[in-house]
Order: sequence, then C-alpha cells, then structure tokens
Amino acid sequence: QSVLTQPPSVSGAPGQRVTISCTGRSSNIGAGYDVNWYQQLPGTAPKLLIYGNSNRPSGVPDRFSGSRSGTSASLAITGVQAADEADYYCQSYDSRLFGWVFGGGTKLTVL
Amino acid sequence: EVQLMESGGGLVQPGGSLRLSCVASGVTFSNYAMTWVRQAPGKGLEWVSSINAGGGSTYYADSVKGRFTISRDNSKNTLYLQMNSLRAEDTASYYCATWELDAFNIWGQGTMVTVS
Repeated sequence: QSVLTQPPSVSGAPGQRVTISCTGRSSNIGAGYDVNWYQQLPGTAPKLLIYGNSNRPSGVPDRFSGSRSGTSASLAITGVQAADEADYYCQSYDSRLFGWVFGGGTKLTVL
Repeated sequence: EVQLMESGGGLVQPGGSLRLSCVASGVTFSNYAMTWVRQAPGKGLEWVSSINAGGGSTYYADSVKGRFTISRDNSKNTLYLQMNSLRAEDTASYYCATWELDAFNIWGQGTMVTVS
C-alpha cells in the first residue's frame, strides 16, 4: 500500500489528452510539499518528468504538464503518442515518515 | 553529459552484506546531494536513502534504517550504499540519482540485488 495513491492504469488513443491522478494526505501533498513525476519506459531507469508540481526539466516536451491542489496532484499528457507508453510515478515528501514517498505507479497504454 | 554508473549488485544469502557503488562522471560530484531508490521486480519505486553534498547529513527509509549505510567519497566521485543483514524483501534493482531541486534528477541504469 503506497502512501500516495495512483490509478494502476490509464489508456488513451493517439492524440487524446490523458490525466493521471496522485492522491496524498495532510502529511505530504496536503502539507504543501512539492510533487514530482517520473516516467519509466519499459526496461529502463526512471526519468524526471515534472518537478516542483509543474516545472519541466530541459528536454521534456510541453505536452507534459503537472498541477497540485489540496491533497492531490495530477499529470496531464496532451496529444498522447505511442512513445509515451510507460509507467508514471508521483513523488513527494512525507513529514510523518520523515522521508520521500512514491505513488504505486500508473501504466499508460496508448490504444 | 552527466552519467551515473552503479555496480556491486549480485546474489547474496539472507543475513549477508553487499556494498553498492555509484560513480559519477560529467559533473562536479561534490556539488550534488545524492540518493538511492530501489525497485523490486515488477513493483514500484521505493526511496531508500539520501545524503547531502558534503556527506554530513544522511537520511534513511524506515525499512532500511539500522541496516544500510549511505556514504560518499567526493575525491573519487563515488556514492556508496553498504547493505547489511539483508533480507529477501531487499531484492530489487537499486538506482542512484542526483538530488536536485527537491527531486531526483539524473539516474543511473541500476544494479540488481538478489537476496536468496
């Protein structure tokens, strides 16, 4: 049971907009700690996709965007492509656990 | 280009020890806080431990506290994870990553640890 809750899977047709939710609690996202998102393509290491709730590292397409509100955060992918098929993880800091926590991950399938 | 390369993984019996290394290149290693994250086969990501740039502050997940020790040698551009009293549930791929902007930015390719 992960501290941050994500849907196990989402899907979308090419070109559609897909969103992935990440629900936390008052000791992590709700406490104001930033949310980061990672993309893990099959068989590869994770890659930082969004940091500080909504910032994209250099090289990440602007099709990817993030937001945070209350005890939740979300990742949106507009114009989804086959190359976006991957596992996506949210992450934040938890003041009750005194450490970083991840969501359980969401598998994106492009139909 | 920043690169991180982990090594030291392998097969170890329960109760045994292993030391992982992570060598950084293309970056001023001493400027970066570092972290270890693991992923059990077919499972999600789990934060393990972090260390600040100077090595004076360390942080651990409850699941490894008292058994694992993170350290670094900035003269060798190397991060370490000493793992003692290993358990079957420690079986995972272990990734090192830079800790920047309150996120884990650059990742290595990982090294597999199997406790059996």
